[in-house]
Amino acid sequence: GAVVSQHPSRVICKSGTSVKIECRSLDFQATTMFWYRQFPKQSLMLMATSNEGSKATYEQGVEKDKFLINHASLTLSTLTVTSAHPEDSSFYICSATRTSAETQYFGPGTRLLVL
Amino acid sequence: KNQVEQSPQSLIILEGKNCTLQCNYTVSPFSNLRWYKQDTGRGPVSLTIMTFSENTKSNGRYTATLDADTKQSSLHITASQLSDSASYICVVSEGGNYQLIWGAGTKLIIKP
Repeated sequence: GAVVSQHPSRVICKSGTSVKIECRSLDFQATTMFWYRQFPKQSLMLMATSNEGSKATYEQGVEKDKFLINHASLTLSTLTVTSAHPEDSSFYICSATRTSAETQYFGPGTRLLVL
Repeated sequence: KNQVEQSPQSLIILEGKNCTLQCNYTVSPFSNLRWYKQDTGRGPVSLTIMTFSENTKSNGRYTATLDADTKQSSLHITASQLSDSASYICVVSEGGNYQLIWGAGTKLIIKP
């Protein structure tokens, strides 16, 4: 149990366009979902925490108007990178928990390349 | 400042050999410590999780230890296999707010 999926696994887009990444908990209801970004050879960096039905909490330095997060249901959260730039190219990983105190179950990640 | 430091940064060993990865932390208050395995281009997968009162926990060929007094943890891999090649990340959960503090990881390469 506790499977988290992400879609797409890879995406290439042009600079200035927007990209939406989906994160789904397949076999459990996730009250909390987390979005991380990972640059090459670096550890994961938390971008934001989202609770179902409420606004996401963004980490310091993460632009909430650029990285739109929607957690409309207990099994789906989306991250939209708006007006993407080449420096947004990264590996984006989501995770989900049943409660904020539980182990996070990670998705497989989405590789974004902005040209 | 809450920090998690891992060593070595990278490690290359021959298949079949054992190895030990280190994790030192300064996170306080402490809730739990986790070791994750992350294959290249994939999300992290949990290997072990230990709370304050646990000294050791095993998951197959992986054995994690925790010394809460010295704030040190280790991950020992026995009889390494090629599929063990990955980054191993130590993550400490801060007590109270459950914020995760991530180490930079150790990149392990197993050579045949």
